[in-house]
Amino acid sequence: NAGVTQTPKFQVLKTGQSMTLQCAQDMNHEYMSWYRQDPGMGLRLIHYSVGAGITDQGEVPNGYNVSRSTTEDFPLRLLSAAPSQTSVYFCASSKDWVLRGANVLTFGAGSRLTVL
Amino acid sequence: AQKITQTQPGMFVQEKEAVTLDCTYDTSDPSYGLFWYKQPSSGEMIFLIYQGSYDQQNATEGRYSLNFQKARKSANLVISASQLGDSAMYFCAMRGVNQAGTALIFGKGTTLSVSS
Repeated sequence: NAGVTQTPKFQVLKTGQSMTLQCAQDMNHEYMSWYRQDPGMGLRLIHYSVGAGITDQGEVPNGYNVSRSTTEDFPLRLLSAAPSQTSVYFCASSKDWVLRGANVLTFGAGSRLTVL
Repeated sequence: AQKITQTQPGMFVQEKEAVTLDCTYDTSDPSYGLFWYKQPSSGEMIFLIYQGSYDQQNATEGRYSLNFQKARKSANLVISASQLGDSAMYFCAMRGVNQAGTALIFGKGTTLSVSS
C-alpha cells in the first residue's frame, strides 16, 4: 500500500496563479483533511471531508477550495495564490470514527509551496 | 473552544537520559483523545502515542509514555533513554470535536535535540 500520496512535493508560484495540490489514499479511508504548517504555528486545519461529496471548512479555509468526488482523492485548490500561502501542506486520512476509538491520522509526505 | 498548549519551544537532552515534553489542553467535551506526533527533519509526521480521556491507565508505546493528568489537563510525553534519532519536532494534538472527529487540533510543537 502506498498510503497517502501527495503531489507535487515542491512548487513555486507567482502571486495570482492558481494550482491544485493532489492527495490520494489507497487505504479506503472515509475521512480526509488538509493542513498547513508554518514556523512556530504547528499544523492548522484548512478543510476536511467525512466522505465522498462531503466537505467542510477548518480553521484557515480562506483562499482554498476542496472537493471530494471519490473516496480516494481530496485535491486542494489555490484559486489565486498569495505570498501568505507560502507553507508546507499536509494531507491526512483516517479510518476510525472518533467515538469508536483512536482516530489515528495517516499523513502524506507534505508539499512545500512558495508563492513569490 | 479546544486548545493545545506546548510551552517549550526547545528542549536539550543527552543520550540515554529521559526527557519530558509538556502539553496542556483545554476542552469542554468530556470525551476526547490526545495524540503525540514526531516530525523529524525529513518532514514526515509519525504517530507516537494516543490517550483517550476515559482510559484508566497511562498509555505506553515502547520508550514513549504519556503522563496523563486529567485534573490538570496535561498530557506530557515522556521519552525514556533518549537516542540521537529522537531529535525532531514533537507535536501534541487533540481530536477536533467541531470537525466531526475527522481532524486534529495541534499545538505549536517542541523541538527536541539529543546530543551524544
